[in-house]
Amino acid sequence: SYELSQPPSVSVSPGQTASITCSGDKLENKHVSWYQQRPGQSPVLVMYQTIKRPSGIPERFSGSNSVNTATLTISGTQSIDEADYYCQVWDTNTYVFGPGTTVTVL
Amino acid sequence: EVQLEQSGAEVKEPGESLKISCKGSGFSFSTHWIGWVRQTPGKGLEYMGIIYPRDSTSRYSPSFQGQVTFSADKSISSVYLQWQSLKASDTATYYCVRRLFDSNNFPYFDLWGQGTLVTVSS
Repeated sequence: SYELSQPPSVSVSPGQTASITCSGDKLENKHVSWYQQRPGQSPVLVMYQTIKRPSGIPERFSGSNSVNTATLTISGTQSIDEADYYCQVWDTNTYVFGPGTTVTVL
Repeated sequence: EVQLEQSGAEVKEPGESLKISCKGSGFSFSTHWIGWVRQTPGKGLEYMGIIYPRDSTSRYSPSFQGQVTFSADKSISSVYLQWQSLKASDTATYYCVRRLFDSNNFPYFDLWGQGTLVTVSS
């Protein structure tokens, strides 16, 4: 079965750039979605089709994909961006989630 | 407002049955596939399967086939997740999600319910 890996945690200073990676075999051939989950809340879609932002998601969120790694970048990180972030792909008729990355803004 | 609203938290004993619900509003519920996702501290987010409310066609992830049952009542824009005999390992938060397709026909989940916490303990 297909597997995705993510770093457990990323720390960033306010106003700086946070990069969250998601790795998987031949990931460049798949469309990656990203979900943000703030503490005590349900996940929210922040990126789909690897590079597209849903309506209402700030422009500081961007996505990219290269060979075996997709990246969610948060530019000018704010305290409200502190959350868990999960990548997800569709593979062989199922939906695979990464283990999640906790972004800490300090 | 477009939303998925789920039923409240449940506390059950092993062996009991349970049915939780997810009600959609603000969109054409019966013509969107609605999925279920389980979240546990140990295994993270897991896809359980999906149902089409218009005709109740269901597709189960192999890990959950035979363990749960999906159903729908399109007249009240609701889908359900049911267990016949709960186990302690079913303790988790369960989310219903709306599935859409991007311009290249890849699926993604654009809308999530608030989650239902199910606790199974003796």
